[in-house]
Amino acid sequence: EAGVVQSPRYKIIEKKQPVAFWCNPISGHNTLYWYRQNLGQGPELLIRYENEEAVDDSQLPKDRFSAERLKGVDSTLKIQPAELGDSAVYLCASSLRGKDTGELFFGEGSRLTVL
Amino acid sequence: KNEVEQSPQNLTAQEGEFITINCSYSVGISALHWLQQHPGGGIVSLFMLSSGKKKHGRLIATINIQEKHSSLHITASHPRDSAVYICAVRTNYGGSQGNLIFGKGTKLSVKP
Repeated sequence: EAGVVQSPRYKIIEKKQPVAFWCNPISGHNTLYWYRQNLGQGPELLIRYENEEAVDDSQLPKDRFSAERLKGVDSTLKIQPAELGDSAVYLCASSLRGKDTGELFFGEGSRLTVL
Repeated sequence: KNEVEQSPQNLTAQEGEFITINCSYSVGISALHWLQQHPGGGIVSLFMLSSGKKKHGRLIATINIQEKHSSLHITASHPRDSAVYICAVRTNYGGSQGNLIFGKGTKLSVKP
């Protein structure tokens, strides 16, 4: 069975440009997470979806970040415009259940470099 | 103070050594995860536990809910175990229920 698939793996852009990341979770997983991971740090939650509903987006910088999960399957995360401080790895994860017992499965991540 | 603290931050071991990585947390949790991240790679879930002890191959994870502490042990360590090991807790309260709080990770390097 395919794991969580993310693309692109790497992206280099200039500041003020837009960028988008795509995630296809494991089939049947109703919960999808987007995390940002800076070098030497643990992942930080950006947004969590239960099916197509964003149930926690309190840490998403809404002035420049947006996300959607149409039809409750794959998801896109967009940054517009990108800033130098957005350089990080953007991780997508999915789980079968949203709360107590859902094991997490992570994608390989999308590494963003903003010049 | 971080809600999830790991120690040590960095660990260098010789092949064959027994390794322990510790995780302490200060919030109410419903589960604790141990994760492994190789350089340039994604994150792999090693264990998810809410009580007691779990074993998988050379890896053992324990948790003490009363003390809010968990340990990850690696027996007969091997250079391929070199990675960052991350502790994450799933909260059991409030608006963040179901979300994870991550530690900063322990970077393990096993020398041949």
